[in-house]
Amino acid sequence: NAGVTQTPKFRVLKTGQSMTLLCAQDMNHEYMYWYRQDPGMGLRLIHYSVGEGTTAKGEVPDGYNVSRLKKQNFLLGLESAAPSQTSVYFCASSYGRTARNTEAFFGQGTRLTVV
Amino acid sequence: DAKTTQPTSMDCAEGRAANLPCNHSTISGNEYVYWYRQIHSQGPQYIIHGLKNNETNEMASLIITEDRKSSTLILPHATLRDTAVYYCIVKAGGTSYGKLTFGQGTILTVHP
Repeated sequence: NAGVTQTPKFRVLKTGQSMTLLCAQDMNHEYMYWYRQDPGMGLRLIHYSVGEGTTAKGEVPDGYNVSRLKKQNFLLGLESAAPSQTSVYFCASSYGRTARNTEAFFGQGTRLTVV
Repeated sequence: DAKTTQPTSMDCAEGRAANLPCNHSTISGNEYVYWYRQIHSQGPQYIIHGLKNNETNEMASLIITEDRKSSTLILPHATLRDTAVYYCIVKAGGTSYGKLTFGQGTILTVHP
């Protein structure tokens, strides 16, 4: 049971380049999330999904797009990378549609540097 | 979701109990108190959560005051591997869809 797996783990981009971060979970979770964490700060929510084919904006969505074509995968895209998007990106997933709150499971992060 | 206040940093001796406080004075009736930790820039790790009763699991205990305006996370026998940033998060149920709002957290340093 791998949990939440993020690909790649590290990446360096030039300004203006595009890339896609992949998040995969094998726990059959309904909900998935993308967060970013800047140095010395807590995590901030970028986008999230409450089920296959659905996405929604979080706290800091500008400059990012997402897709959830399959329940187990949640993709985060940067169409034109900017230095301000240099950050560590975390994906998470959790059960949904239950009366009792449950915890979120996080991946190990993708360290992205935009030069 | 209600705002939380935590001390910036705390120290603890190895083998002793670590008691991490959190204030959430504006918490509402349907909001849960969650604790996560983040070890050296790894992905956050769930520790425990509760609504109004005290909770205990293999990792920690959570004590919530009767008025629910504050809580304490207790690591009963801290080890060096418990050195991490600890986040106290208050989250509503229902349509909040599990979104977590992370503050600055408490940096816990466990000393030999």
